[in-house]
Amino acid sequence: GENVEQHPSTLSVQEGDSAVIKCTYSDSASNYFPWYKQELGKGPQLIIDIRSNVGEKKDQRIAVTLNKTAKHFSLHITETQPEDSAVYFCAPRRGAGNMLTFGGGTRLMVKP
Amino acid sequence: DSGVTQTPKHLITATGQRVTLRCSPRSGDLSVYWYQQSLDQGLQFLIQYYNGEERAKGNILERFSAQQFPDLHSELNLSSLELGDSALYFCASSVGQGGSYEQYFGPGTRLTVT
Repeated sequence: GENVEQHPSTLSVQEGDSAVIKCTYSDSASNYFPWYKQELGKGPQLIIDIRSNVGEKKDQRIAVTLNKTAKHFSLHITETQPEDSAVYFCAPRRGAGNMLTFGGGTRLMVKP
Repeated sequence: DSGVTQTPKHLITATGQRVTLRCSPRSGDLSVYWYQQSLDQGLQFLIQYYNGEERAKGNILERFSAQQFPDLHSELNLSSLELGDSALYFCASSVGQGGSYEQYFGPGTRLTVT
Protein backbone atom coordinates (compact mmCIF):
# COMPACT_ATOMS: atom_id res chain seq x y z
CA GLY A 1 0.00 0.00 0.00
CA GLU A 2 0.84 3.67 -0.12
CA ASN A 3 3.38 4.92 2.39
CA VAL A 4 2.81 8.59 3.17
CA GLU A 5 4.93 10.84 5.33
CA GLN A 6 4.48 14.47 6.26
CA HIS A 7 7.02 16.91 7.57
CA PRO A 8 7.15 18.71 9.86
CA SER A 9 4.73 17.25 12.40
CA THR A 10 4.36 20.65 14.07
CA LEU A 11 5.02 24.09 12.69
CA SER A 12 4.82 27.38 14.53
CA VAL A 13 4.97 30.63 12.58
CA GLN A 14 4.38 34.28 13.23
CA GLU A 15 1.31 35.85 11.68
CA GLY A 16 2.16 37.09 8.21
CA ASP A 17 4.97 34.59 7.66
CA SER A 18 4.82 31.73 5.16
CA ALA A 19 4.39 28.06 6.02
CA VAL A 20 5.43 25.04 3.97
CA ILE A 21 4.42 21.44 4.64
CA LYS A 22 5.90 18.58 2.65
CA CYS A 23 4.35 15.22 1.85
CA THR A 24 6.28 12.27 0.44
CA TYR A 25 4.62 9.17 -0.95
CA SER A 26 5.72 5.80 -2.23
CA ASP A 27 3.20 4.80 -4.90
CA SER A 28 4.46 6.02 -8.26
CA ALA A 29 0.98 5.41 -9.70
CA SER A 30 -0.51 8.14 -7.51
CA ASN A 31 -1.98 10.88 -9.66
CA TYR A 32 -4.23 12.86 -7.34
CA PHE A 33 -2.77 14.95 -4.55
CA PRO A 34 -5.13 16.69 -2.12
CA TRP A 35 -4.50 18.65 1.06
CA TYR A 36 -7.04 18.68 3.89
CA LYS A 37 -7.42 21.09 6.78
CA GLN A 38 -8.88 19.88 10.04
CA GLU A 39 -9.96 22.40 12.63
CA LEU A 40 -10.60 21.41 16.21
CA GLY A 41 -13.81 19.44 16.57
CA LYS A 42 -14.44 19.21 12.85
CA GLY A 43 -13.90 16.78 10.02
CA PRO A 44 -11.15 17.25 7.42
CA GLN A 45 -11.97 19.71 4.68
CA LEU A 46 -10.36 19.74 1.24
CA ILE A 47 -8.53 23.02 0.72
CA ILE A 48 -6.58 22.42 -2.47
CA ASP A 49 -5.72 19.55 -4.78
CA ILE A 50 -3.56 18.94 -7.81
CA ARG A 51 -3.46 16.31 -10.50
CA SER A 52 -0.34 14.71 -11.91
CA ASN A 53 -0.38 16.61 -15.19
CA VAL A 54 0.09 19.91 -13.36
CA GLY A 55 3.16 21.06 -11.46
CA GLU A 56 1.66 23.84 -9.42
CA LYS A 57 -1.73 25.19 -8.45
CA LYS A 58 -2.56 28.32 -6.55
CA ASP A 59 -5.70 29.53 -4.82
CA GLN A 60 -5.31 32.91 -3.15
CA ARG A 61 -2.92 32.42 -0.23
CA ILE A 62 -2.48 28.69 -0.63
CA ALA A 63 -0.60 26.76 -3.28
CA VAL A 64 0.43 23.18 -3.92
CA THR A 65 3.52 22.13 -5.84
CA LEU A 66 4.17 18.64 -7.13
CA ASN A 67 7.40 16.84 -7.94
CA LYS A 68 6.36 13.46 -9.36
CA THR A 69 9.93 12.39 -10.04
CA ALA A 70 10.88 12.78 -6.40
CA LYS A 71 7.43 11.67 -5.24
CA HIS A 72 6.60 14.58 -3.05
CA PHE A 73 4.21 17.50 -3.01
CA SER A 74 4.05 20.52 -0.77
CA LEU A 75 1.48 22.88 0.66
CA HIS A 76 2.44 26.54 0.76
CA ILE A 77 0.52 29.09 2.80
CA THR A 78 1.55 32.72 2.47
CA GLU A 79 0.64 35.64 4.72
CA THR A 80 -0.51 33.26 7.43
CA GLN A 81 -3.36 34.29 9.69
CA PRO A 82 -4.47 32.94 13.10
CA GLU A 83 -7.42 31.20 11.43
CA ASP A 84 -4.94 29.09 9.45
CA SER A 85 -4.10 27.33 12.72
CA ALA A 86 -5.23 23.73 12.27
CA VAL A 87 -3.95 20.27 11.43
CA TYR A 88 -3.17 19.72 7.76
CA PHE A 89 -3.18 16.32 6.08
CA CYS A 90 -2.02 15.17 2.69
CA ALA A 91 -3.71 12.13 1.13
CA PRO A 92 -2.20 11.12 -2.22
CA ARG A 93 -3.97 8.43 -4.19
CA ARG A 94 -4.32 6.71 -7.52
CA GLY A 95 -6.98 8.01 -9.79
CA ALA A 96 -8.63 4.64 -9.99
CA GLY A 97 -8.18 3.83 -6.33
CA ASN A 98 -10.69 4.27 -3.58
CA MET A 99 -8.56 4.41 -0.51
CA LEU A 100 -7.32 7.63 0.94
CA THR A 101 -4.08 7.10 2.81
CA PHE A 102 -3.49 10.09 5.01
CA GLY A 103 -0.19 11.43 6.13
CA GLY A 104 0.38 11.76 9.86
CA GLY A 105 -0.70 15.39 9.87
CA THR A 106 1.03 18.69 10.55
CA ARG A 107 -0.17 20.92 13.35
CA LEU A 108 0.25 24.51 12.22
CA MET A 109 0.13 27.22 14.87
CA VAL A 110 0.04 30.84 13.74
CA LYS A 111 0.96 33.22 16.52
CA PRO A 112 -0.63 36.67 16.36
CA ASP B 1 -21.07 22.66 6.50
CA SER B 2 -20.10 19.79 4.19
CA GLY B 3 -23.62 18.44 3.81
CA VAL B 4 -22.65 15.12 5.39
CA THR B 5 -24.39 14.40 8.67
CA GLN B 6 -23.37 11.97 11.36
CA THR B 7 -25.17 10.84 14.47
CA PRO B 8 -24.63 10.71 17.33
CA LYS B 9 -21.98 13.35 17.97
CA HIS B 10 -20.77 11.67 21.12
CA LEU B 11 -21.13 8.14 22.38
CA ILE B 12 -19.93 6.71 25.67
CA THR B 13 -20.21 3.00 26.24
CA ALA B 14 -18.60 0.15 28.11
CA THR B 15 -16.22 -2.52 26.94
CA GLY B 16 -17.91 -5.50 25.35
CA GLN B 17 -20.87 -3.47 24.12
CA ARG B 18 -22.07 -2.85 20.58
CA VAL B 19 -22.82 0.52 18.99
CA THR B 20 -24.09 1.79 15.66
CA LEU B 21 -22.91 5.00 14.04
CA ARG B 22 -25.00 6.58 11.35
CA CYS B 23 -24.06 8.67 8.33
CA SER B 24 -26.13 10.49 5.73
CA PRO B 25 -24.16 11.49 2.63
CA ARG B 26 -24.52 14.71 0.69
CA SER B 27 -27.46 14.83 -1.63
CA GLY B 28 -26.51 13.10 -4.86
CA ASP B 29 -23.41 11.36 -3.53
CA LEU B 30 -23.38 7.61 -4.04
CA SER B 31 -20.17 6.71 -2.21
CA VAL B 32 -19.75 6.59 1.54
CA TYR B 33 -16.43 6.11 3.28
CA TRP B 34 -15.70 5.43 6.93
CA TYR B 35 -12.53 6.56 8.68
CA GLN B 36 -11.19 6.17 12.19
CA GLN B 37 -9.05 8.86 13.77
CA SER B 38 -7.09 8.12 16.90
CA LEU B 39 -4.07 9.79 18.44
CA ASP B 40 -1.73 6.84 17.89
CA GLN B 41 -2.98 5.65 14.49
CA GLY B 42 -3.90 8.92 12.82
CA LEU B 43 -6.63 8.95 10.16
CA GLN B 44 -7.26 5.46 8.83
CA PHE B 45 -9.57 4.34 6.07
CA LEU B 46 -11.94 1.60 7.16
CA ILE B 47 -14.38 0.80 4.37
CA GLN B 48 -16.19 2.23 1.35
CA TYR B 49 -19.63 1.60 -0.09
CA TYR B 50 -20.90 2.69 -3.46
CA ASN B 51 -24.60 2.62 -4.20
CA GLY B 52 -25.22 -0.07 -1.64
CA GLU B 53 -22.28 -2.32 -2.43
CA GLU B 54 -18.96 -2.67 -0.67
CA ARG B 55 -16.18 -1.28 -2.85
CA ALA B 56 -13.01 -1.15 -0.81
CA LYS B 57 -11.78 -2.31 2.54
CA GLY B 58 -9.00 -0.82 4.58
CA ASN B 59 -7.87 -1.51 8.11
CA ILE B 60 -11.26 -2.57 9.40
CA LEU B 61 -11.39 -5.05 12.26
CA GLU B 62 -13.56 -8.15 11.99
CA ARG B 63 -15.57 -6.85 14.96
CA PHE B 64 -16.61 -3.90 12.81
CA SER B 65 -19.08 -4.02 9.95
CA ALA B 66 -20.89 -1.51 7.79
CA GLN B 67 -23.68 -1.31 5.29
CA GLN B 68 -25.26 1.20 2.96
CA PHE B 69 -29.01 1.25 2.64
CA PRO B 70 -31.18 1.91 -0.45
CA ASP B 71 -31.63 5.53 0.63
CA LEU B 72 -27.80 5.72 0.62
CA HIS B 73 -27.34 6.37 4.31
CA SER B 74 -24.75 4.16 5.94
CA GLU B 75 -24.24 2.59 9.32
CA LEU B 76 -21.02 1.44 10.96
CA ASN B 77 -21.49 -1.26 13.56
CA LEU B 78 -18.83 -1.75 16.19
CA SER B 79 -19.13 -4.78 18.45
CA SER B 80 -17.27 -6.34 21.39
CA LEU B 81 -15.86 -2.90 22.02
CA GLU B 82 -12.43 -2.50 23.55
CA LEU B 83 -10.77 0.48 25.16
CA GLY B 84 -8.62 0.89 22.08
CA ASP B 85 -11.69 1.49 19.92
CA SER B 86 -12.10 4.91 21.50
CA ALA B 87 -11.63 7.32 18.63
CA LEU B 88 -13.27 9.79 16.29
CA TYR B 89 -15.16 8.08 13.49
CA PHE B 90 -15.69 10.08 10.33
CA CYS B 91 -17.91 9.43 7.41
CA ALA B 92 -17.20 11.00 4.04
CA SER B 93 -19.12 10.96 0.79
CA SER B 94 -18.36 11.54 -2.85
CA VAL B 95 -20.21 11.48 -6.12
CA GLY B 96 -18.24 8.65 -7.68
CA GLN B 97 -16.72 5.43 -6.47
CA GLY B 98 -13.10 6.16 -7.15
CA GLY B 99 -10.89 8.39 -9.18
CA SER B 100 -10.16 11.90 -8.06
CA TYR B 101 -13.60 12.64 -6.68
CA GLU B 102 -13.52 15.02 -3.78
CA GLN B 103 -14.52 13.45 -0.50
CA TYR B 104 -16.65 15.56 1.84
CA PHE B 105 -16.29 14.73 5.51
CA GLY B 106 -18.93 14.83 8.19
CA PRO B 107 -18.34 16.28 11.66
CA GLY B 108 -17.57 12.88 13.16
CA THR B 109 -18.76 10.75 16.06
CA ARG B 110 -16.58 10.66 19.13
CA LEU B 111 -16.69 7.22 20.68
CA THR B 112 -15.45 6.70 24.21
CA VAL B 113 -15.21 3.16 25.52
CA THR B 114 -14.85 2.90 29.30
